[in-house]
Amino acid sequence: EVQLVESGGGLVQPGGSLRLSCAASGFTFSSYWMSWVRQAPGKGLEWVANIKQDGSEKYYVDSVKGRFTISRDNAKNSLYLQMNSLRAEDTAVYYCARQRITMVRGVIGSYFDYWGQGTLVTVSS
Amino acid sequence: SYELTQPPSVSVSPGQTARITCSGDALPKKYAYWYQQKSGQAPVLVIYEDSKRPSGIPERFSGSSSGTMATLTISGAQVEDEADYYCYSTDSSGNHGVFGGGTKLTVL
Repeated sequence: EVQLVESGGGLVQPGGSLRLSCAASGFTFSSYWMSWVRQAPGKGLEWVANIKQDGSEKYYVDSVKGRFTISRDNAKNSLYLQMNSLRAEDTAVYYCARQRITMVRGVIGSYFDYWGQGTLVTVSS
Repeated sequence: SYELTQPPSVSVSPGQTARITCSGDALPKKYAYWYQQKSGQAPVLVIYEDSKRPSGIPERFSGSSSGTMATLTISGAQVEDEADYYCYSTDSSGNHGVFGGGTKLTVL
């Protein structure tokens, strides 16, 4: 059974840092792209960042570029999100998600097939 | 930055057909995916690659895409289908994901 379990959320002051972790099990972690998706209280979903199987490619939403760093440790089946210079608008539930990349009729598709339950990050003084 | 646009809300009576749209300039060349999210829960994939249904998703859920618009259709909507629905796709580069703003479906 595929399981993704996030940890590391909590209350942090504006300008502070936090590191989120996601422990993966039930599948070959090193074979999949992985992503972080967040959801501010009462708001919609927002894709934050993703990372290739070997960590050689990483992409970010513009609003976190230069502040957040996604990484992974395939030996530990773990995904991370280092968040620096946190702002009030970063307050959200952060989900870890397994990403599927497909090629169908010449079109590359990308989506999330498994999600964790999320960890809440609150940025407030 | 790239955006996907959804109506904020859709309301139908039980047994009626609900249609939720998602528009985006890259949709003619990129697949659309649909997620259902119930209160306090993680999202669940209900449609992938425009029109395919994952195993375990009821047949009343279907999807289509034409030009710059993708549509999620729930034929014979049930009370248990009340949820927020999000479309998802990528920008033209394929490197950046984007969700639509979400549509709250009310069935009553």
